[in-house]
Amino acid sequence: QKEVEQNSGPLSVPEGAIASLNCTYSDRVSQSFFWYRQYSGKSPELIMSIYSNGDKEDGRFTAQLNKASQYVSLLIRDSQPSDSATYLCAVIESGGSNYKLTFGKGTLLTVNP
Amino acid sequence: GAVVSQHPSWVICKSGTSVKIECRSLDFQATTMFWYRQFPKQSLMLMATSNEGSKATYEQGVEKDKFLINHASLTLSTLTVTSAHPEDSSFYICSVQRNTDTQYFGPGTRLTVL
Repeated sequence: QKEVEQNSGPLSVPEGAIASLNCTYSDRVSQSFFWYRQYSGKSPELIMSIYSNGDKEDGRFTAQLNKASQYVSLLIRDSQPSDSATYLCAVIESGGSNYKLTFGKGTLLTVNP
Repeated sequence: GAVVSQHPSWVICKSGTSVKIECRSLDFQATTMFWYRQFPKQSLMLMATSNEGSKATYEQGVEKDKFLINHASLTLSTLTVTSAHPEDSSFYICSVQRNTDTQYFGPGTRLTVL
């Protein structure tokens, strides 16, 4: 069974700090990785996708991928109270004609003013 | 990105009735759409993959006769929960697939079955 593991948290950081969210996955041949943000009672919103080893930066967000360690992370710089949400790591299952996402259970982030 | 709508945003129904949820891709033609269900404090669980013009592919454990999916056009997929029961109460979310592997989600439909 292909799995995506995240620490459920809650992760609590002060405003302005760096929040670090981690995710591991079991399918060694996975090639596509995504971070979604989900506010309470809302649907997920795509933050970033990453496909190659290394870092990918977009504004205050940086995704990091290490395929050898089967590890993907999301860093949020200058955290704001509005970043408080559940962050979902998702991995594309390899194979097949439809690209199905496998989600982790999410990490709840709280940014304290 | 992609703009996806769902209707209704919430619905309350009596046990035994059927409920139809619509998912629309507003800014591009979506060959593939996905239907998810999310129970409180749990992650998203894929129910089925909806391909335009063909039968949906259901995940293991999802009853295809209970959750009817129709993807009749490139902009519309519908999920009908037939003979709904309280245990079907959940947050139903659709997504559209764009750029081969990226999914964009609709706002979700909250179903409450009394």
